[in-house]
Amino acid sequence: DAGVTQSPTHLIKTRGQHVTLRCSPISGHKSVSWYQQVLGQGPQFIFQYYEKEERGRGNFPDRFSARQFPNYSSELNVNALLLGDSALYLCASSLDFSSYNEQFFGPGTRLTVL
Amino acid sequence: AQSVSQHNHHVILSEAASLELGCNYSYGGTVNLFWYVQYPGQHLQLLLKYFSGDPLVKGIKGFEAEFIKSKFSFNLRKPSVQWSDTAEYFCAVTPDKLIFGTGTRLQVFP
Repeated sequence: DAGVTQSPTHLIKTRGQHVTLRCSPISGHKSVSWYQQVLGQGPQFIFQYYEKEERGRGNFPDRFSARQFPNYSSELNVNALLLGDSALYLCASSLDFSSYNEQFFGPGTRLTVL
Repeated sequence: AQSVSQHNHHVILSEAASLELGCNYSYGGTVNLFWYVQYPGQHLQLLLKYFSGDPLVKGIKGFEAEFIKSKFSFNLRKPSVQWSDTAEYFCAVTPDKLIFGTGTRLQVFP
């Protein structure tokens, strides 16, 4: 069974650039969540999407945006990159948006901003 | 604001030693509680979870956790650790969104 997949694995950008990260959920899962994990910290919630609609948003600036497609895959976009955006970006999928459902995490995309 | 505290940042044990990792959360309402584990080079995966009922929950690989509502705690325990338990452990709670603690790095030496 394929788990959650994310692309790319690694990415290097410079300040001010834009980045798009992609996530494919487990088959049958309709909800996707995005997290930022800075080195030495736990994952921080950015967004949750369910059936193409935003169901939750964390405390992140408007430079961060996301969307979910009809096939339930998702993109996370970050504009005007800052050095502080360097982190591991995790995607997690679940059956729906209920907090009772286990979230299954992908391997992450390591973003480095120079 | 809701938060999760993990008091032990780095724990070093010998094989067969007992383990207890602390987790406290701040939220006055009903929460769901989780422990996730990240083995070296692998994805975050669920170790165990508590929603309701028996406050002592058992997870995979011999781990268990006890929910003490009066102390807002959900400590993780294992009676005898193995070298293969070397990993990073995250406590998380969800009233709605998943909130993680900062993690505890566990190193087990043979």
